[in-house]
Amino acid sequence: SQTIHQWPATLVQPVGSPLSLECTVEGTSNPNLYWYRQAAGRGLQLLFYSVGIGQISSEVPQNLSASRPQDRQFILSSKKLLLSDSGFYLCAWSLTGEGTPLHFGNGTRLTVT
Amino acid sequence: AQSVAQPEDQVNVAEGNPLTVKCTYSVSGNPYLFWYVQYPNRGLQFLLKYITGDNLVKGSYGFEAEFNKSQTSFHLKKPSALVSDSALYFCAVRDPLTGQNFVFGPGTRLSVLP
Repeated sequence: SQTIHQWPATLVQPVGSPLSLECTVEGTSNPNLYWYRQAAGRGLQLLFYSVGIGQISSEVPQNLSASRPQDRQFILSSKKLLLSDSGFYLCAWSLTGEGTPLHFGNGTRLTVT
Repeated sequence: AQSVAQPEDQVNVAEGNPLTVKCTYSVSGNPYLFWYVQYPNRGLQFLLKYITGDNLVKGSYGFEAEFNKSQTSFHLKKPSALVSDSALYFCAVRDPLTGQNFVFGPGTRLSVLP
């Protein structure tokens, strides 16, 4: 069966520091991969998605970037964190086939101080 | 452009009573519709989906949802609510014409009172 791993679970970083959040998927090949941010325990904002290695689409211009160095690995990065980057970051995967749902990791709670 | 609305920010229901969490959508074609549940500090868990066929779909934990094309709705239901159902619920749509991206509603917080 497929599993998704996301780490770390919580992170406290000072303003101006770099960020690297990692997500890996097991048990499937060629997944679509996604990074979402959830602010204040509510709506989801799609940040990036990827349909293959090295293929990244950005949905929202911001202080963050994403990379997909391997088929089942998706990394969210920042060179210098802002206070506004605080939030709950969720990685997810899906298959391209019709009607396949998104499957989410357990998220990373990022607090920028 | 596709969109999803969840008109109720909060739904309160007594334990043992039926519950409904509402969702309406807008897409250009026939939609793929999903419901997710989120417990505190956790990722979203998939509950059920509608792709085609029977308008009433059954999912995990006794939840079901009814697809209504004329009203462009996909309401989540459960005949008898449990306190443990208290969580944040998200409706989502995926447009088969565009394929890749899911659009989520703003979420509805369900509180089941003992």
